[in-house]
Amino acid sequence: QKEVEQNSGPLSVPEGAIASLNCTYSDRGSQSFFWYRQYSGKSPELIMSIYSNGDKEDGRFTAQLNKASQYVSLLIRDSQPSDSATYLCAVLGFQKLVFGTGTRLLVSP
Amino acid sequence: DVKVTQSSRYLVKRTGEKVFLECVQDMDHENMFWYRQDPGLGLRLIYFSYDVKMKEKGDIPEGYSVSREKKERFSLILESASTNQTSMYLCASSPFGGNEQFFGPGTRLTVL
Repeated sequence: QKEVEQNSGPLSVPEGAIASLNCTYSDRGSQSFFWYRQYSGKSPELIMSIYSNGDKEDGRFTAQLNKASQYVSLLIRDSQPSDSATYLCAVLGFQKLVFGTGTRLLVSP
Repeated sequence: DVKVTQSSRYLVKRTGEKVFLECVQDMDHENMFWYRQDPGLGLRLIYFSYDVKMKEKGDIPEGYSVSREKKERFSLILESASTNQTSMYLCASSPFGGNEQFFGPGTRLTVL
């Protein structure tokens, strides 16, 4: 079992819709969780961090964490074509971040 | 804003060459990291450092070494480049006690 799992996609949504990206992790003791956005050919950019159960909102982005289910998600409201990218979930393990392989999101005009 | 820079965006080397990849951050971060990213495998940690002259092996250190002589600079060294080291190399930094890592633009290395 991979430590951090994501569906590779692509996840296709129309412009204006809500995109829902999901991530599960295996280390029950993990306390810190991150979402990175990576455009093709570019490096990952941190967009959200979450440390407590529940929701955390930042603009059009909402991160959701459920430690009991070992599940973290990212919702993107009013999706735009510029949101088309690969989204990486990262979980803090012992001394290091463990990354998922990413979900590719395609937002069509 | 945190700024992490890497010495080259693209690099082409030949098998057996010694390769140096440089990373510099300007935010006085204690922690620095080197990753490689390959399709289907995601980001994999090569080495990291929590202080000057200190280094720790990550998940895939074989064939690599690192140097951190100054706080702001973390170098990745491929002692004898091989074709399976063709990859995107990403440097990142984070502050002491901080978990959020900030990435440089990456170096796409091709070994022929």
